[in-house]
Amino acid sequence: DTEVTQTPKHLVMGMTNKKSLKCEQHMGHRAMYWYKQKAKKPPELMFVYSYEKLSINESVPSRFSPECPNSSLLNLHLHALQPEDSALYLCASSQPHNTGELFFGEGSRLTVL
Amino acid sequence: EDKVVQSPLSLVVHEGDTVTLNCSYEVTNFRSLLWYKQEKKAPTFLFMLTSSGIEKKSGRLSSILDKKELFSILNITATQTGDSAIYLCAVRSGANSKLTFGKGITLSVRP
Repeated sequence: DTEVTQTPKHLVMGMTNKKSLKCEQHMGHRAMYWYKQKAKKPPELMFVYSYEKLSINESVPSRFSPECPNSSLLNLHLHALQPEDSALYLCASSQPHNTGELFFGEGSRLTVL
Repeated sequence: EDKVVQSPLSLVVHEGDTVTLNCSYEVTNFRSLLWYKQEKKAPTFLFMLTSSGIEKKSGRLSSILDKKELFSILNITATQTGDSAIYLCAVRSGANSKLTFGKGITLSVRP
């Protein structure tokens, strides 16, 4: 079982909806990540939080809004999404500035109608 | 821009075969190279490599890094149908240890 927990596992939303994806880890990691993965493609980095501060934003559209309320939690707020935003959204954590592995959650599969 | 290139992009083998998966990279300030296996859900960690020439081994899987030639290989011996998956190579680089993934290699093992 993964030590990074993501909810919900599946989400269907319309283009006018507002929803959030949640991620939680209790490994004491101080870096948390959002990745987007389309079918048969590798994960693409969206955001990195390091010590609860946004350190990397890979030019993600503003309809995706990340939030890191504390060192264990990471949210991704979704508003006015497009059908092409449908994908698997993966959360991961690690120690900051580390060479080691990222620990991934099982992902939230998002469908935008 | 950091680049990670994997080859081949897909591979079909029969049970019992040995396969070699390749990963080459061009990054600034290399920190480590990681291999992940992805089935239907999240990538699961296989190996992390930081030093050249030291083989990492786990059961039928092994991996090695060449920092001079900027590549790594992942070997799987005596393949089984459960090895069917996408194998992702990723490189951590730069001051913020950003992780860049290759496109992945789809391995299909036929009975």
